[in-house]
Amino acid sequence: DVKVTQSSRYLVKRTGEKVFLECVQDMDHENMFWYRQDPGLGLRLIYFSYDVKMKEKGDIPEGYSVSREKKERFSLILESASTNQTSMYLCASSFSGKVPNIQYFGAGTRLSVL
Amino acid sequence: DAKTTQPTSMDCAEGRAANLPCNHSTISGNEYVYWYRQIHSQGPQYIIHGLKNNETNEMASLIITEDRKSSTLILPHATLRDTAVYYCIVRVIEAGGYQKVTFGIGTKLQVIP
Repeated sequence: DVKVTQSSRYLVKRTGEKVFLECVQDMDHENMFWYRQDPGLGLRLIYFSYDVKMKEKGDIPEGYSVSREKKERFSLILESASTNQTSMYLCASSFSGKVPNIQYFGAGTRLSVL
Repeated sequence: DAKTTQPTSMDCAEGRAANLPCNHSTISGNEYVYWYRQIHSQGPQYIIHGLKNNETNEMASLIITEDRKSSTLILPHATLRDTAVYYCIVRVIEAGGYQKVTFGIGTKLQVIP
């Protein structure tokens, strides 16, 4: 089974802190994604990566950055956390150029910024 | 990607079939229909996909209309564990295999004992 592991299920941080959310997948997928999920807004794509060291902005990249130094690991960075970044963060991965293109998700990290 | 429209919520009696509709009237010929679900406090999970033909797997069936403008996900015998938010997504693989996916609000299915 594909496994996408997010480092923390729950995280509490203070405003202004630098926050790292880590995601690891074990299926050698080329693509990795970071979403945030808020009530009434569904899942919104923050960033995605289609290869090591490659990244593309999603729909809401402001206030976030990402890092992909190894194929299996994709990190989401909040340079200076703010209260409006309190949310559920979901990581996903998928093969590139394959149909069906299935995204496999981690369990999510619920981040609270106080 | 084509936009999809789903009802916000639905109820289904346990043991009965749950039929979840999705409208995708602007779908293009090379776009697939995918269904995912998200059980509370978990990440979304892939259920099924289709292009033109009806599809069935161990989880569900997918019925796509002949004009492909709408589809229905069928859970043949709903259980309490099927209570979840169900997302209908229409998408095409873009050049280079980059795959942005837009998840809408989905349909919250409540299975009632």
